[in-house]
Amino acid sequence: NAGVMQNPRHLVRRRGQEARLRCSPMKGHSHVYWYRQLPEEGLKFMVYLQKENIIDESGMPKERFSAEFPKEGPSILRIQQVVRGDSAAYFCASSPGDSGEKLFFGSGTQLSVL
Amino acid sequence: GQSLEQPSEVTAVEGAIVQINCTYQTSGFYGLSWYQQHDGGAPTFLSYNALDGLEETGRFSSFLSRSDSYGYLLLQELQMKDSASYFCAASGGGGNKLTFGTGTQLKVEL
Repeated sequence: NAGVMQNPRHLVRRRGQEARLRCSPMKGHSHVYWYRQLPEEGLKFMVYLQKENIIDESGMPKERFSAEFPKEGPSILRIQQVVRGDSAAYFCASSPGDSGEKLFFGSGTQLSVL
Repeated sequence: GQSLEQPSEVTAVEGAIVQINCTYQTSGFYGLSWYQQHDGGAPTFLSYNALDGLEETGRFSSFLSRSDSYGYLLLQELQMKDSASYFCAASGGGGNKLTFGTGTQLKVEL
């Protein structure tokens, strides 16, 4: 049973480019969460999605960031016009239900903005 | 909003017992979880407490006191492989998201 799959593992972008981060949840999981982590810091909540719906995006910047979880295919976190401050590790997690107490995390995407 | 506080670093010797504390301030609190993260890798779930008291899972135990807004993770018979970051996380606060603490770096020495 494959775990949460994230790709790419590492992503390098120049300032002003777009970054697309992909996340395939565990089989049978319909709830996806995105978190951002800076070095030596905790995980900061960004957005919580169910299939085709954004449930809570209170942690996501209003500009340049968007997320989707279509009926078919992976969840996508999209960052437009990246800036150096966007450099971080972005983790995706999934859960089978909406209780949220046990999340299964992917290995993350390390975004580096030059 | 929600906030969770943990010590930034704890050092212990192999074979010892260590306790990592977590205090939280949340609204609509449901429960407290603990996660382990090695060297920036995928955080992995360790335990969850929704009720007051101690939950034991092998060498790891977790405790919650809702009245004190406090919990801890207890690691027994420490091994070198336990060197990692440990995060407490609170669920609730008007949504299903987990809010994570700043993490405790555990160093296990010989």
